[in-house]
Formats: sequence, C-alpha cells, structure tokens
Amino acid sequence: GAVVSQHPSRVICKSGTSVKIECRSLDFQATTMFWYRQFPKQSLMLMATSNEGSKATYEQGVEKDKFLINHASLTLSTLTVTSAHPEDSSFYICSTAQIQGARTEAFFGQGTRLTVV
Amino acid sequence: QKEVEQNSGPLSVPEGAIASLNCTYSDRGSQSFFWYRQYSGKSPELIMFIYSNGDKEDGRFTAQLNKASQYVSLLIRDSQPSDSATYLCAVNMFDPGTYKYIFGTGTRLKVLA
Repeated sequence: GAVVSQHPSRVICKSGTSVKIECRSLDFQATTMFWYRQFPKQSLMLMATSNEGSKATYEQGVEKDKFLINHASLTLSTLTVTSAHPEDSSFYICSTAQIQGARTEAFFGQGTRLTVV
Repeated sequence: QKEVEQNSGPLSVPEGAIASLNCTYSDRGSQSFFWYRQYSGKSPELIMFIYSNGDKEDGRFTAQLNKASQYVSLLIRDSQPSDSATYLCAVNMFDPGTYKYIFGTGTRLKVLA
C-alpha cells in the first residue's frame, strides 16, 4: 500500500494561534487527498477533499476560512487551522486514495493530535 | 444524507470466539466496502475490502456483502485480545465529481482473555 506521512503527530497551541499540518504522499502521486477530523469515541468525519492544483471541496458545516487547505503539489497537502480555539482540539487525519473509480483504496497518515489551550 | 451505520458497542467476546461486526449503508449505488481497525490514538489500518456480493476470506477475517440488503459484515474467527479495537466500516460513495470515503461510527470490540 501507499505510504502517507503526516506531521506533526502531536501539537499543543494557544487559543487564537494557527497550526499547520502536513500530509505527504511518499510513493505515489496523489491527485486527491482527504482530510478527516475525529473527536473522542466518534467516527472519522470528512472535512474536505483536496485536489491538486485546485480549490478544496469542503463538506457541509466545515468553515473553509478556518480550515485552509492547500494542495499545491502531487505529494503534499496542508491543512491550516486558523485562529484555533479549544473546541478545535481533535485528531486530524489525512488520507490519499489511489483512484480506480469505485474501487478506491484509501491510505491514511499517522494522524495529528491537536490540543488548543 | 448518505450514511453508514454501525452499532457502537462495546461488543465483548471471549478469547477464541467468533466476533461478528455489522454495518448498513444508505447509498444503493455504492460499489466498494472496507473494514478498518483503529487502535486508540492511532490512524485506521485496512483489514479487508470487498466489492462483490458474498463472502471474502482472509486468514481469520471474513467479510460478507449483501448489496440487496445494503449490509456488510466482518467476522473475526478465533478472536484474540490483540483484536480489541474499534472497527470502522467505510463505504466508497460517489458524490458528483468524486468518490468519497464515508465512515460508520465504529464498533468497539473487546476480546476477553
């Protein structure tokens, strides 16, 4: 399977600051990356779909001005949580997908545990 | 709203027993289905995928798919304490323009030694 590297694995930041999370596809060119958020004991909630060279597509209820996604290359997508607040504390996970139509397998990064204090 | 439903559990089974995990989905057009295992604080890892109706076996794991009933399940034979984790069902659904992975809420499995 594909290798996806996500950094940092853990970050603590002060309320009001911004945090950038990187997601790298190490062994294939990822035209599409997905960003998920997971609160404790809940499932992965898709936040946005990031397409290389174009604007990300955000899911309903996700603020695009707060969660900035950049996918400038085929191997790197970034998620920036702007003006973070304690309620943004969560586990953020990126994934890439080798798109084969309906038969698409997703590969996940290690996840980033964000704590906003 | 396209959905994937799972019983959150916890599902407790004794060591050596068969654990049965179930998942239903709302989008009749879905074509591919995945089971992931997630340990606390870690990212999901793929266990199995299934595309066709019927059973698919891989070691101690068997995935079962019934598209008519919009139902997919995962059986774990000879359950081990190390199988204790949250199991996520994921369905690859087509949204206009792209395919998306939609996850169920997950079922927490406890295998008792």
